[in-house]
Amino acid sequence: DAKTTQPPSMDCAEGRAANLPCNHSTISGNEYVYWYRQIHSQGPQYIIHGLKNNETNEMASLIITEDRKSSTLILPHATLRDTAVYYCIVRVGTGTASKLTFGTGTRLQVTL
Amino acid sequence: GAVVSQHPSRVICKSGTSVKIECRSLDFQATTMFWYRQFPKQSLMLMATSNEGSKATYEQGVEKDKFLINHASLTLSTLTVTSAHPEDSSFYICSARVASSYNSPLHFGNGTRLTVT
Repeated sequence: DAKTTQPPSMDCAEGRAANLPCNHSTISGNEYVYWYRQIHSQGPQYIIHGLKNNETNEMASLIITEDRKSSTLILPHATLRDTAVYYCIVRVGTGTASKLTFGTGTRLQVTL
Repeated sequence: GAVVSQHPSRVICKSGTSVKIECRSLDFQATTMFWYRQFPKQSLMLMATSNEGSKATYEQGVEKDKFLINHASLTLSTLTVTSAHPEDSSFYICSARVASSYNSPLHFGNGTRLTVT
């Protein structure tokens, strides 16, 4: 089972890019990396996911290293509303038995 | 698309009573739904995996007789907290995965805050 490690907290100035790292050194070849965020007292919000290639959507970009042992979530122009806890997750198990288990995440504080 | 609705958003109940929480996938079918619990300032903890038409799979340490899960259709799963006690007060969150797409992301409801007095 793959696990992830993230820094507990980060600060970012509004308008600047927020780069959130994640280590998943035990990831196996067919396991995706998922990123979610949770704003206080709400359910987690899906951001992006990827397997090998870098991915980009309207919310963020995901950069996965070639050896797949780490990844970085990039919020290109952080705003105050991006203040949240960001979770990097690797699916555990396969098929119908697969599940997402959350680590402690990174608390991102966007400041003026 | 891929909206998960959870009801109620908040509930207060007396110790010893039971509370039912509903989780619905509004615009997709969900073969599998997941129930999480979150205590203040902690991360989400997976409680159980709910599969449509079969018994739920509970994580280690989660009492199946206390947290009853029913997944009777492809769009509805329910979690019933039986004989609730103050220590069951928590934020309960459900999530769902699009049917037959194991690698697709989970979509989460907005949670139910349970307070047991």
